[in-house]
Amino acid sequence: GAGVSQSPSNKVTEKGKDVELRCDPISGHTALYWYRQSLGQGLEFLIYFQGNSAPDKSGLPSDRFSAERTGGSVSTLTIQRTQQEDSAVYLCASSLDSKNIQYFGAGTRLSVL
Amino acid sequence: QKEVEQNSGPLSVPEGAIASLNCTYSDRGSQSFFWYRQYSGKSPELIMSIYSNGDKEDGRFTAQLNKASQYVSLLIRDSQPSDSATYLCAVKDGTASKLTFGTGTRLQVTL
Repeated sequence: GAGVSQSPSNKVTEKGKDVELRCDPISGHTALYWYRQSLGQGLEFLIYFQGNSAPDKSGLPSDRFSAERTGGSVSTLTIQRTQQEDSAVYLCASSLDSKNIQYFGAGTRLSVL
Repeated sequence: QKEVEQNSGPLSVPEGAIASLNCTYSDRGSQSFFWYRQYSGKSPELIMSIYSNGDKEDGRFTAQLNKASQYVSLLIRDSQPSDSATYLCAVKDGTASKLTFGTGTRLQVTL
């Protein structure tokens, strides 16, 4: 079936605005991850969902960041009161379960002006 | 803090040569190791996974793991210009589900 789908592919926003990034995982994958990749940096883990379990939020950099996963499928990452340092590519990945290989979406490039 | 270290490069190799990419990790509890390829402006794509000490071969790619030395490498034989990309090493321990990534090594295969 289709791979991991993310939208929008690009988002330009003004400092202080809220943004929502969407991830639609591969059908049947119970695990979903959000990562952030800043220019010249490796991928930084943000948050992980597994089925109906409480998410692992240990990577969220501040309380301006939150994420939810409705119905065990689509996930939304919300960044409130965006700052310029939030500019990065936000990547979503999914896997069959937490032990399996993660497959990445194409990412959302966020630019905060 | 669990760390994964890679030389940022660029690593330049001529077409047809062997490219050797290296990665070290700090967490002795790490159990799963992955190499992802990332073309500029694209998302990471898995090319190899390895879980046991030794070598694992898949086509032109060979992953090598040495848990005692906390070292994992990727060899690319008969390098092609299409192999030019950034190669990300990722590590997962036995308890966590997240991947810890290195910053990647940029490979350039020259004609």
